Amino acid sequence: ETGVTQSPTHLIKTRGQQVTLRCSSQSGHNTVSWYQQALGQGPQFIFQYYREEENGRGNFPPRFSGLQFPNYSSELNVNALELDDSALYLCASSLDVGTPKAGELFFGEGSRLTVL
Amino acid sequence: TQLLEQSPQFLSIQEGENLTVYCNSSSVFSSLQWYRQEPGEGPVLLVTVVTGGEVKKLKRLTFQFGDARKDSSLHITAAQPGDTGLYLCAGVNQAGTALIFGKGTTLSVSS
Repeated sequence: ETGVTQSPTHLIKTRGQQVTLRCSSQSGHNTVSWYQQALGQGPQFIFQYYREEENGRGNFPPRFSGLQFPNYSSELNVNALELDDSALYLCASSLDVGTPKAGELFFGEGSRLTVL
Repeated sequence: TQLLEQSPQFLSIQEGENLTVYCNSSSVFSSLQWYRQEPGEGPVLLVTVVTGGEVKKLKRLTFQFGDARKDSSLHITAAQPGDTGLYLCAGVNQAGTALIFGKGTTLSVSS
């Protein structure tokens, strides 16, 4: 069984640039969620994708956008990067929305973004 | 707004000691989960508690869900250096689309 994989693991950008982070979900999982984890904090929900549609969104501005592909992999795009966007971005996959195990997330190792 | 507060924020203990981490909210959650996160890794699910008053044991770890389903605790017996990490509690939001996480408890166990 293949776990959740994310790329890149580390990257450095400057203010105003754009970034794309990628995630492959665990085998058999069709739901992908993205979280932002600032240093010393718990993860904060950005959005969730289910069957290629956004299925919920946290308190993040529109410059945070995403995609889910037919193979359930996903991308997180952030435009006009700000210094405060520096964080660990975590992707998590889970089983079908609404099923008993739907809330149990399997996380990747994350992409560490530094904005200078 | 659903919030989860964890305490203590930091805990530094010696090998062999016992400890308890708390997770509290003013909101009712249908279930609460506990995750452990090591540096450079994503969180890993330890347990899900669903029923008020439920107690689950995972080797030296004991998890309890409050009767009113607003709080939970994690008790570790005879802590070992391998228990070092960030412990996070999380509950499903009302829309059922996301987990709300506490800020975590950073545990350091020295030998």
